Amino acid sequence: DQQVKQNSPSLSVQEGRISILNCDYTNSMFDYFLWYKKYPAEGPTFLISISSIKDKNEDGRFTVFLNKSAKHLSLHIVPSQPGDSAVYFCAASVVGGNQFYFGTGTSLTVIP
Amino acid sequence: DTGVSQNPRHKITKRGQNVTFRCDPISEHNRLYWYRQTLGQGPEFLTYFQNEAQLEKSRLLSDRFSAERPKGSFSTLEIQRTEQGDSAMYLCASSGRGGTYYGYTFGSGTRLTVV
Repeated sequence: DQQVKQNSPSLSVQEGRISILNCDYTNSMFDYFLWYKKYPAEGPTFLISISSIKDKNEDGRFTVFLNKSAKHLSLHIVPSQPGDSAVYFCAASVVGGNQFYFGTGTSLTVIP
Repeated sequence: DTGVSQNPRHKITKRGQNVTFRCDPISEHNRLYWYRQTLGQGPEFLTYFQNEAQLEKSRLLSDRFSAERPKGSFSTLEIQRTEQGDSAMYLCASSGRGGTYYGYTFGSGTRLTVV
């Protein structure tokens, strides 16, 4: 039962353009969402988060948008850089929960 | 502090053998988590420790799996009688008192291959 879904396994973007990665979830009890970035042979690293009381959170080139009614969130990277090429995982947790539920990941390639 | 450390990085074992992995969390983190990631999937929760107490276990953690965190420091994950389906990346993560709120710090993982 995949509660967090990333329907695009891969995405290619030209350097300098915007990358948009999407994530959908099914559990309305999720109240906290994160994006992790993963390079090959490394563990995931925390990128940006958003609480369900907000609809947008921004950190430098990275912005996460949350649409609770649609149970959808997205990560925007502007401008995209070759070093952003990695696998991006969306993750969600519930209030007081001790675990994250991860999506299957989207592999982003930024073409120089 | 160099972050979350996991050993070994790679392990190849024959089916039916026992294997043990070790995780050293960030020293000031009291919470420790184990996840498993198979090819093409995201990490899946296995178990959670707060200090030395194992407070939550996933149904994925069959009776062949056991995890410990003696003295609330490092943790070990043992798999007995390994099966080919156990082949995966085993990820350890730790966090401070905020728990999931601030995200985890993951280690680089132990890749297990059962042949």
